[in-house]
Amino acid sequence: DIQMTQSPSTLSASVGDRVTITCRASQSISTWLAWYQQKPGKAPKFLIYKASSLESGVPSRFSGSGSGTEFTLTISSLQPDDFATYYCQQYNSYFLTFGGGTKVEIK
Amino acid sequence: EVQLLESGGGLVQPGGSLRLSCAASGFTFSTYGMSWVRQAPGKGLEWVSAISGSDGSTYYADSVKGRFTISRDNSKNTLYLQMNSLRAEDTAVYYCASGYSGYDFPFPFDYWGQGTLVTVSS
Repeated sequence: DIQMTQSPSTLSASVGDRVTITCRASQSISTWLAWYQQKPGKAPKFLIYKASSLESGVPSRFSGSGSGTEFTLTISSLQPDDFATYYCQQYNSYFLTFGGGTKVEIK
Repeated sequence: EVQLLESGGGLVQPGGSLRLSCAASGFTFSTYGMSWVRQAPGKGLEWVSAISGSDGSTYYADSVKGRFTISRDNSKNTLYLQMNSLRAEDTAVYYCASGYSGYDFPFPFDYWGQGTLVTVSS
């Protein structure tokens, strides 16, 4: 199975900060990577697919980049609604796997 | 508006069985791949199983292969997960999710249900 490793596991930031989350794959997945946002007690929300394509309706302050084994999710200016846990997911293989998550906390 | 509504969760003893359902609306269910994803209490997301929209092919995580069966009834717009030989480590919220924009498997998930809690305990 392809292992997905996110860093950091927790991130403390302030409103207006630029935030970057990293996701590394144990083998190349081309750009077959998605990002999700999850708030406590809620289902995940789809943000980005194919590493850098923004899902319709997702604010433009979210962006994704990368290919192969290293990927990033960037929030250009953190808003109060963005405090949540973020997960990456690879869909390169028939065994789908998620990263362990990155919790973005209020500093 | 796309809606996915799970049901069927509850408390079950180790070794027992449970069937989850996911009622879909707001899109052409029969043409979309569908999946189950679970989340143990306080833990991350784990993909469980998927079923293709094109030919009904099924896919499973190693942790549930041979114990869980995914199926769909396109006439009822409903996805199912039959869970047998349940273990304590199967305790989780189970989410139903749709495959993005009709992608064939493997796919990311664009819409998610609210989840149903399965607790395996004696």
